[in-house]
Amino acid sequence: QSALTQPPSASGSPGQSVTISCTGTSVGGYNFVSWYQQHPGKAPKLLIYEVTKRPSGVPDRFSGSKSGNTASLTVSGLQAEDEADFYCSSNAGSNNYVVFGGGTKVTVL
Amino acid sequence: EKQLVDSGGGLVKPGGSLRLSCAASGFTFSNAWMNWVRQPPGKGLEWVGRIKSQTDGGTTDYAAPVKGRFTLSRDDSENTLYLQMNSLKTEDTGVYYCTTILWSFGMDVWGQGTTVTVSS
Repeated sequence: QSALTQPPSASGSPGQSVTISCTGTSVGGYNFVSWYQQHPGKAPKLLIYEVTKRPSGVPDRFSGSKSGNTASLTVSGLQAEDEADFYCSSNAGSNNYVVFGGGTKVTVL
Repeated sequence: EKQLVDSGGGLVKPGGSLRLSCAASGFTFSNAWMNWVRQPPGKGLEWVGRIKSQTDGGTTDYAAPVKGRFTLSRDDSENTLYLQMNSLKTEDTGVYYCTTILWSFGMDVWGQGTTVTVSS
């Protein structure tokens, strides 16, 4: 069982926004939340790191935030290509381990 | 362009061993902290372990399910990361990805993955 909890699914129509949550005690204690997008049969891709930062090349339609023990990823202006699985990760407390959320499948209606 | 190429996966019997490799290019491998993540068939991502750069001590950390069975190592002269997997179990089956990992735990470069199947 993941120490980070994500909803199993989310959906939205093209042009709309969808927000995915990621809840866990380590989220609240540190600013080390990352978000990844994975298309079927492909390797994951880093979208967000340190809660809000975007790597070069990631569109600003993807944004991250945090409140208390819950981090969120918002995808604005949904596009068909955004349909994928999304995972959050963080450090697992004060040790150096990493934990992933269970993943959220985003469907573009 | 930063690139990681994973290799070494295959079919192995329970209790057997396998060594995965990850060849890096396009960045200074010796300065990078490196990481393995796996994904069982049809399931989510699972962290396996991390090795720091030699200048940061070269220390390793492992997830509880693999600690004592898996060993990460690196050859900075060959720009290659290794994952030695011993005493393999059926639950170790999945796609294994090598990644770079930032000090803040973000994994910014990923290999294409290599498939490990543990079955009798």
